[in-house]
Amino acid sequence: AQSVAQPEDQVNVAEGNPLTVKCTYSVSGNPYLFWYVQYPNRGLQFLLKYITGDNLVKGSYGFEAEFNKSQTSFHLKKPSALVSDSALYFCAVRGENRDDKIIFGKGTRLHILP
Amino acid sequence: DSGVTQTPKHLITATGQRVTLRCSPRSGDLSVYWYQQSLDQGLQFLIQYYNGEERAKGNILERFSAQQFPDLHSELNLSSLELGDSALYFCASSAPVAGMPDGYTFGSGTRLTVV
Repeated sequence: AQSVAQPEDQVNVAEGNPLTVKCTYSVSGNPYLFWYVQYPNRGLQFLLKYITGDNLVKGSYGFEAEFNKSQTSFHLKKPSALVSDSALYFCAVRGENRDDKIIFGKGTRLHILP
Repeated sequence: DSGVTQTPKHLITATGQRVTLRCSPRSGDLSVYWYQQSLDQGLQFLIQYYNGEERAKGNILERFSAQQFPDLHSELNLSSLELGDSALYFCASSAPVAGMPDGYTFGSGTRLTVV
């Protein structure tokens, strides 16, 4: 069965500092991994995805994520945080079967402190 | 605008009532997914439809039902509403692309408040 874990309910980072939001997954076969962001009173917005290839994936708003197969992790990163990055971030995984659906983590609330 | 349209944006209703939430998927997308988001439960998958047929069921209560119509829009029906049904309900859509898994495109949600 597929699963995804976001071990931190909340992450606080000072503006200008690098940020990391952690995610680990479990899936049979090759994983397809996603990060979404949710701003207050909005739907989830796609940030980036890993399908295959380079382990470092670049996405929207300066975010990137690193796929680590041996550690089954897909951590979200940004070199310099902005106050506007404050939001709820969801990691998600799906398997390689055509009918597999995407499973979402519980979300991590990111607070960027001015 | 994501291309996925949900109506209404807000809904306030009394306990015991029935409501219908509507979703129009992004043009060309055949799959529709319904999710419930509450403060203490995170994002819970309810049900998936693909080209008019139910494809997968998640933690959907028997009081809830859904369908996808020939024009691919979907409706989520919630009946005998309880206070605990108050939540954000999201619809998402995706397109099957051979050999390339697609992410989901989300609508902006319907906020249901049961009083």
